[in-house]
Amino acid sequence: GAGVSQSPSNKVTEKGKDVELRCDPISGHTALYWYRQSLGQGLEFLIYFQGNSAPDKSGLPSDRFSAERTGGSVSTLTIQRTQQEDSAVYLCASSSTANSNEKLFFGSGTQLSVL
Amino acid sequence: GDSVTQMEGPVTLSEEASLTINCTYTATGYPSLFWYVQYPGEGLQLLLKATKADDKGSNKGFEATYRKETTSFHLEKGSVQVSDSAVYFCALCQAGTALIFGKGTTLSVSS
Repeated sequence: GAGVSQSPSNKVTEKGKDVELRCDPISGHTALYWYRQSLGQGLEFLIYFQGNSAPDKSGLPSDRFSAERTGGSVSTLTIQRTQQEDSAVYLCASSSTANSNEKLFFGSGTQLSVL
Repeated sequence: GDSVTQMEGPVTLSEEASLTINCTYTATGYPSLFWYVQYPGEGLQLLLKATKADDKGSNKGFEATYRKETTSFHLEKGSVQVSDSAVYFCALCQAGTALIFGKGTTLSVSS
């Protein structure tokens, strides 16, 4: 597609439920990143993929969070047993390579609200 | 670990005023440095970057110089416009790692 696409754009869920967030990167981009944007916390790195493998999962806040990427394209971020502190905007970005100079293209994010 | 610290906002300016948003970093090695911008209702986008010491990145009238001696990458613009109102993020990246962002600085420009 023309840009990074994320779905849903908004998700409201009840505490304790599982949620799945989807990211469609720009076609051909091998690197894919997940970030979380919370008020007052800025952009928090969660995980990144190079192809289908995740060299760095260090940012995942707990074992309730997991992510996968299949076919070197679409990625899903799953949050199990959601808590109110999980409420945030979840941003996905992709780049053509994982080179440190490479420009990231961001999606518009998924606004997650846990009630 | 590596980190980025940028000045707290919000920064409120009148149109045509000059702007400086401070950014300092802590990193081992020689990271690439970036400024990203998030306009209201839009996604994050790259504003400018510098990949080595003394490089100057520039775009849309904004500039930032990679200063290794002071570990800084301050964002500057000589004359801001209302359309510059946005949240600005300083970031660094090292080989094999993801971008690390600062907390963001909100700029509000009034006419």
